[in-house]
Amino acid sequence: SQTIHQWPATLVQPVGSPLSLECTVEGTSNPNLYWYRQAAGRGLQLLFYSVGIGQISSEVPQNLSASRPQDRQFILSSKKLLLSDSGFYLCAWSVVGAYGYTFGSGTRLTVV
Amino acid sequence: QQQVKQSPQSLIVQKGGIPIINCAYENTAFDYFPWYQQFPGKGPALLIAIRPDVSEKKEGRFTISFNKSAKQFSLHIMDSQPGDSATYFCAVSSGGSYIPTFGRGTSLIVHP
Repeated sequence: SQTIHQWPATLVQPVGSPLSLECTVEGTSNPNLYWYRQAAGRGLQLLFYSVGIGQISSEVPQNLSASRPQDRQFILSSKKLLLSDSGFYLCAWSVVGAYGYTFGSGTRLTVV
Repeated sequence: QQQVKQSPQSLIVQKGGIPIINCAYENTAFDYFPWYQQFPGKGPALLIAIRPDVSEKKEGRFTISFNKSAKQFSLHIMDSQPGDSATYFCAVSSGGSYIPTFGRGTSLIVHP
């Protein structure tokens, strides 16, 4: 069966520090991968998606970046965090050409 | 422009009640209409989905009603339980892009 792992679960980082969130998917090959951010009490904002290794599409210009170094690994990064980067970050995957997402358990990021 | 409008933003019902959450869309190209359920601190999980060739789909206590002519669909939760307390998101997708557009979410509280 397919599983998605996302870590860490919670993170408190000072303003200006770097960020690296990792997501991996098991039990499938060549998944579409996504990063979402959910602000407190708000909806789901698509940040990045990837249809293959090294292929990243950005939906929202900001100080975040994403990389896909391996087929089932998706990384969200920042060189310098801002207070506004606080939120709940969710990784998701889907089968190519199919509907339906599977979300990870999320990372609660607090920038202080 | 918001492609899918979800209402209400929040909903409180008593145990056994039937909460109804509504979503409206504009683009007739959408052909997949899922609902996701999200518990606090967790990622959303696919709850139930419908295609436009049917007007209703039931899975357990959850029912989607779909009105193609009105471009609306809704989630009904029969015999609601306190364990159903969560945030519910509708979404729309089309074959042109399998990336869903999410509604802004409805926070449901079911009182015992």
